[in-house]
Amino acid sequence: AQSVTQPDIHITVSEGASLELRCNYSYGATPYLFWYVQSPGQGLQLLLKYFSGDTLVQGIKGFEAEFKRSQSSFNLRKPSVHWSDAAEYFCAVGRSSGGYQKVTFGTGTKLQVIP
Amino acid sequence: DVKVTQSSRYLVKRTGEKVFLECVQDMDHENMFWYRQDPGLGLRLIYFSYDVKMKEKGDIPEGYSVSREKKERFSLILESASTNQTSMYLCASSFDTYEQYFGPGTRLTVT
Repeated sequence: AQSVTQPDIHITVSEGASLELRCNYSYGATPYLFWYVQSPGQGLQLLLKYFSGDTLVQGIKGFEAEFKRSQSSFNLRKPSVHWSDAAEYFCAVGRSSGGYQKVTFGTGTKLQVIP
Repeated sequence: DVKVTQSSRYLVKRTGEKVFLECVQDMDHENMFWYRQDPGLGLRLIYFSYDVKMKEKGDIPEGYSVSREKKERFSLILESASTNQTSMYLCASSFDTYEQYFGPGTRLTVT
């Protein structure tokens, strides 16, 4: 079965420090991969996506992610975190199931940013 | 910008009540989805719809039903609310199925 694992439930970083959020997926075919962000009390917003091509993808708000097929990973990175990045981040994989295309989400990583 | 709106941000209902959660999107998207979000469990798909009057069960459909009479509107129905349905409910829509646009969510409390 397809699945998405985010091993870190909670991460704390200092403002200005670099950030890496981990994501591993399990999917037999070429995956469609996403990162979403959810600010407190809000819905999810798409940060970036990978369908094919260049394995390093750029997203909004200065985020990037790298697809590594050999490691089944799609880690999210940012070189310098801002206090406004405090939010919950979800990795997701697009999957085909029963003839329909669906998205499976990870359980999320909550990011805390300290001054 | 795509806009997905949900009828209520917060809702408190009693056990056994019939509950309607409404979702409207303004981008003429074919596909609409209902998820519930619980701490530690991420988002789980309840129902989805690929066309008007069409619906398909997601991963956790028990205790829920849906209605899609118009393309822009997708309703989630709790026939008889129970306390284990206390959760955050998120609606999403998409043109390309994999890239979804989310509403702000409805936090439902069933007492």
